[in-house]
Amino acid sequence: SQTIHQWPATLVQPVGSPLSLECTVEGTSNPNLYWYRQAAGRGLQLLFYSVGIGQISSEVPQNLSASRPQDRQFILSSKKLLLSDSGFYLCAWSLGANTEAFFGQGTRLTVV
Amino acid sequence: GESVGLHLPTLSVQEGDNSIINCAYSNSASDYFIWYKQESGKGPQFIIDIRSNMDKRQGQRVTVLLNKTVKHLSLQIAATQPGDSAVYFCAENGRGYSTLTFGKGTMLLVSP
Repeated sequence: SQTIHQWPATLVQPVGSPLSLECTVEGTSNPNLYWYRQAAGRGLQLLFYSVGIGQISSEVPQNLSASRPQDRQFILSSKKLLLSDSGFYLCAWSLGANTEAFFGQGTRLTVV
Repeated sequence: GESVGLHLPTLSVQEGDNSIINCAYSNSASDYFIWYKQESGKGPQFIIDIRSNMDKRQGQRVTVLLNKTVKHLSLQIAATQPGDSAVYFCAENGRGYSTLTFGKGTMLLVSP
């Protein structure tokens, strides 16, 4: 069966520090991968998606970047965090268009 | 821009009642819709989906109805249980690669 791992679960980082969140998927090949951000009490905003190794599409301009160094690995990064980067970050995977996306358990990031 | 939104931010029901959560979408090109359940501090969990060539789909205790004429989606939960308490999101896919657009969510509170 397929599983998705996302870590860490919680993170407190100072303003200006770097960020690296990692997500890995097991049990499937060539998945589409996604990073979403969820503000408190709000819906999910798509940040990045990837349809293959090295292929990254950005949905919104921001202080973050994403990379896909391996087929089932998706990394969310920042060189210098801002207070506004605080939120709940979710990684997800799917097998293609018009199929459900499966989510990881999320990372609660607090920038202080 | 196109968006997906919900009519009711909070729905309170008694255990055993039937619950109906509504969602309006604005992208007439959307052809795939999903309902997710999100418990506090966790990632969204897939409940049920429906494609635009259908107007009703049933799962275990859940039914999704799609009215393309008025661009409305609803989730019906039969015999609601305390474990159903969560935030429910509708999401639509009007593009490829499962780039889902999420609504703001409805909090369902079930009293024993």
